[in-house]
Amino acid sequence: AQSVTQPDIHITVSEGASLELRCNYSYGATPYLFWYVQSPGQGLQLLLKYFSGDTLVQGIKGFEAEFKRSQSSFNLRKPSVHWSDAAEYFCAVASYDKVIFGPGTSLSVIP
Amino acid sequence: GAVVSQHPSWVICKSGTSVKIECRSLDFQATTMFWYRQFPKQSLMLMATSNEGSKATYEQGVEKDKFLINHASLTLSTLTVTSAHPEDSSFYICSGLAEFWEQYFGPGTRLTVT
Repeated sequence: AQSVTQPDIHITVSEGASLELRCNYSYGATPYLFWYVQSPGQGLQLLLKYFSGDTLVQGIKGFEAEFKRSQSSFNLRKPSVHWSDAAEYFCAVASYDKVIFGPGTSLSVIP
Repeated sequence: GAVVSQHPSWVICKSGTSVKIECRSLDFQATTMFWYRQFPKQSLMLMATSNEGSKATYEQGVEKDKFLINHASLTLSTLTVTSAHPEDSSFYICSGLAEFWEQYFGPGTRLTVT
């Protein structure tokens, strides 16, 4: 069965530090992969997506993610975190007829 | 990106009553919309897939008679929680499906049943 795991429930980083949020998926075919961010009081916003081609994808707000088929991973990165990046981050994979979300990683940013 | 609205943003209702939540795609046509439920500090749980002009497809464990979904047009889907009980209190989120499985999400509706 398709699944998505995000090993880190909560991460705290200092402002200006680099960030990596981990995501692993289980899917038989080439996946469509997504990262979404959910800020308090706001709807989920798409940060970036991978369908095919270049395995390093660039997104909005300075985020990027790298698809590694051999590791079934799609980790999200940002070189320098801003206080406004504090939010909940969800990795997701498109299955045959739906999108499956990971459990989420809560990001806190220390000023 | 495309915009999806939800109304109301929050609602309080008494146990035993019904409440309707509207989900509208404002600048694109959504043949398919999804309804999710989110508990505090948890991920999104897919409740049902709503297809314009046809019956919704419910996920296992979701009561179709309690959570009525209607997708009467390409821009509007509604979720009606019938005979609501306190355990139905939750955050409900809808999304419209665009191409390549990209979704545009509404801001969510906070339902509190007293």
